[in-house]
Amino acid sequence: EIVMTQSPATLSVFPGDRATLSCRASQSLRGHLAWYQQRPGQAPRLLIYGVSTRATGVPARFSGSGSGTYFTLTISSLQSEDFAVYYCQQYESWPPITFGQGTRLESK
Amino acid sequence: EVQVVESGGGLVKPGGSLTVSCAASGFTFSTYSMNWVRQAPGKGLEWLSSISGGSDYVHYADSVKGRFSISRDNVKNSLFLQMNRLKAEDTAVYYCARESWNSFTFDHWGQGILVTVSS
Repeated sequence: EIVMTQSPATLSVFPGDRATLSCRASQSLRGHLAWYQQRPGQAPRLLIYGVSTRATGVPARFSGSGSGTYFTLTISSLQSEDFAVYYCQQYESWPPITFGQGTRLESK
Repeated sequence: EVQVVESGGGLVKPGGSLTVSCAASGFTFSTYSMNWVRQAPGKGLEWLSSISGGSDYVHYADSVKGRFSISRDNVKNSLFLQMNRLKAEDTAVYYCARESWNSFTFDHWGQGILVTVSS
C-alpha cells in the first residue's frame, strides 16, 4: 500500500497571498497524483489530476507540480472560498486507492 | 448535469447490516466505474470499493473486504453498498463517487450519507 503524507497539517495564510501545500508518497507515483478540495459540510471536489492538469471548471490560480514521490499544490492568490481542507490521492498502485490525511488551509 | 445522490443511511447496532444506495443521473451510467469513499467524523477520506461499468471488476479495501459488497444496477442507474457485521469504527459519511473516464480519480461526488454504528 502506498502511504501518502501531507504537510503541514494546518496552514495559515492571509487572503490574497500564495499558499503551497505538500504531499509525499512512500513510493514513486509516475504522475498518478490528484488533489481534492473539501469545504466544510461539503463533498470533496476534484481539483487536479495527473499531477498538474486542472479538472473542469477549476480556476487557474490552482496549480500542481512535482514528480516521483514529492508533489505540491499551489494557490496563487487566496480567495475566501479557497479556505478549506485539501487532500492528495495516489492512483499509481491499487487497490487500495489512498489519500493523504489532509491539510487545513485557514485564513490568517 | 451529472448527479449522484446517496440514500439509506441511519443508525444500526454493532454486528448489524445496512445497505446504502446511490442514484445516478446526467450521464451514461453503465460506461463508468463507480466507487464508495467514506469519511469518519473529523477524519480524512478512505476509499472503500470500486466496481467497473459492467460489474466485471470489483475491488475492496482490506478494512471492509469480506464484510462489504458493492453492486450496481445499470437499468436503474443505481449503485449499492451492502454492509454486514458493522463495527463502531464504520461510523462515517459514505460518499458515492464517479470514477473519471481517463484516470482513477473521482470527478463527481454525492453529498454523502451518514451511517452510525452504535448500541
